[in-house]
Amino acid sequence: EDQVTQSPEALRLQEGESSSLNCSYTVSGLRGLFWYRQDPGKGPEFLFTLYSAGEEKEKERLKATLTKKESFLHITAPKPEDSATYLCAVQAPTDKLIFGTGTRLQVFP
Amino acid sequence: KAGVTQTPRYLIKTRGQQVTLSCSPISGHRSVSWYQQTPGQGLQFLFEYFSETQRNKGNFPGRFSGRQFSNSRSEMNVSTLELGDSALYLCASSPGPDRLGYGYTFGSGTRLTVV
Repeated sequence: EDQVTQSPEALRLQEGESSSLNCSYTVSGLRGLFWYRQDPGKGPEFLFTLYSAGEEKEKERLKATLTKKESFLHITAPKPEDSATYLCAVQAPTDKLIFGTGTRLQVFP
Repeated sequence: KAGVTQTPRYLIKTRGQQVTLSCSPISGHRSVSWYQQTPGQGLQFLFEYFSETQRNKGNFPGRFSGRQFSNSRSEMNVSTLELGDSALYLCASSPGPDRLGYGYTFGSGTRLTVV
């Protein structure tokens, strides 16, 4: 069964304290892996798509990497405005998006 | 460029009633997907439409249905509402099945409360 597991469930960081979020997946025939950011009361906001193992993408303080079994979202020197829930999703050959339950990140000044 | 528009933003319904939610995708996007988001289950895929045809369906009962119109706007309907249907319903649009790199753009959702 296709599955996505994110860890940790919640993460509290001091401003400037770098860390990584993990997304482990099992899917037959990965078409793509997506990272989204979701703020309270809003829909998810698209961050990255990764297609194959070894691929990396960066956007400001965020960097996403992909292996054959997991993806990491590295946050370098986070700021309070990076506080949000980060969601990982995989797209199976059927094109369905299967989401993890997310990591709730809080960055304190 | 307008984003994905979902209406209404909030709804309160009574058990047993039915409800229709609406989604207008980004102009030019032809694929619309619907998701249910709850604190316990996260985002669960409901169905996807492309060019007025349902391409995929999630594991939800037949009370949940949808359709897409020729202008790509989509509606989802839930009949015989149950308390457990209370959730944030999200719509996402994309150019089409072969444009993965664009990702899916989500609307702000419709918060449905069943009492």
